Formats: sequence, C-alpha cells, structure tokens
Amino acid sequence: AQSVTQLGSHVSVSEGALVLLRCNYSSSVPPYLFWYVQYPNQGLQLLLKYTTGATLVKGINGFEAEFKKSETSFHLTKPSAHMSDAAEYFCAVSEGNTGKLIFGQGTTLQVKP
Amino acid sequence: GAVVSQHPSRVICKSGTSVKIECRSLDFQATTMFWYRQFPKQSLMLMATSNEGSKATYEQGVEKDKFLINHASLTLSTLTVTSAHPEDSSFYICSARGFRRDVSGNTIYFGEGSWLTVV
Repeated sequence: AQSVTQLGSHVSVSEGALVLLRCNYSSSVPPYLFWYVQYPNQGLQLLLKYTTGATLVKGINGFEAEFKKSETSFHLTKPSAHMSDAAEYFCAVSEGNTGKLIFGQGTTLQVKP
Repeated sequence: GAVVSQHPSRVICKSGTSVKIECRSLDFQATTMFWYRQFPKQSLMLMATSNEGSKATYEQGVEKDKFLINHASLTLSTLTVTSAHPEDSSFYICSARGFRRDVSGNTIYFGEGSWLTVV
C-alpha cells in the first residue's frame, strides 16, 4: 500500500523567504509523485510531478521539488515566497501511471508581509 | 481554461433525496475517472475509480449503493448520492485521466469540485 506524510500541517514564512514544504512517501513500486495547490473553495492545480528521469523537477510559479529515493522524500521548495502563494498544498503519490492518487494531509502555507 | 468540468459547483438538497454530480472531460477522452471526497480543512480521500463502460471500483469503506457512479461515455462520469444525509455534506472532486492533444503523456486533470450541502 502507498501512503504520504506531509510534515507540518501549517507553515508560515515571510514574503521573500524560502518556502520548504516536506513530503515523505511510502510505496512498494516506483512511485509517481505530485504536488498540488488548492485555493479556498476551489479544485486542485498541479504544481509539478515526478514520473521518471531527472530527480529535480521544476514546476509552475517558481516551485520545484527533488525526488530522493534514499530518503523517500519529495520536498517542495520555492526560493522566494510571494503573498499569492498562501494556500493549501497537497503531496500525492500514485502507483505508476494509474492515475489513482493517494494524498497527504495537506500543509497550509501562510505568507506574512 | 478548465479541461475537466464539474456540475453543479454547489448544490443544496433535502435529507432523503438524491443528488447527481457530473464530471466532464472537455477536450479529451477520459479512459478513467476518479471521485474524491474532501471534508473541510482535510485532505482528499479517494472514493472510487470508474472506467468507461464498466462498473466502478470502490475504495474500502465507501458504500457503493449510496454513492452510485456511472461512466457512460469517455467524456462523462456521474456521481449520485442517494438518500442523502447531512453527514454526506462535503466537497466532491473528480479527476480524469487521458491523452490531450499537444500534451505529452497520459495526464490527470482535476475538476473544480462540487459542494454538497444536505439539510
């Protein structure tokens, strides 16, 4: 079975500061990994995904994540936070390309002026 | 623009009635669609997987007779909440998996979600 753990349900950073949202996964097969962002009362928007190949994945809005198999991690980073980054972030894993996603608990990112 | 459309975006129904939520892929054929449920301030929980022309596969703990899923075509899946109760109130989100023109790979797209309130 697969699972995802997001460390920290709430992260607060100052505008311009580094954003680091942590995600660890468990999977018995090579995983596909995803980060999604959700704004209040809206659906999910894909930030980035890792399938195979290069372990450093660049996404939209300046976000990137690095797949580290030895650490079973897929942490999301952004060098400089913007006020518009304040939202809920979800890490997810799937068994290959099945499309069936298992989500982490979510991390609320607060950006302070 | 949106590639997966959900309708309605918000619905209020009386306890004991049934309500249908539609999930449409707008410019691609979705071989598989997924239905998730999200309670306020919580994560998304996969309810079921539906493949066009076959019965849906439900996750453990999801009542298939209460949450009826129909995937009648490659662009439409419906979720019907039967005999709804207040505890069924939630945000329901669908996703669709398929190939879009000019997009490489088999990609997953999420709908905007549907708020169900049962009173």
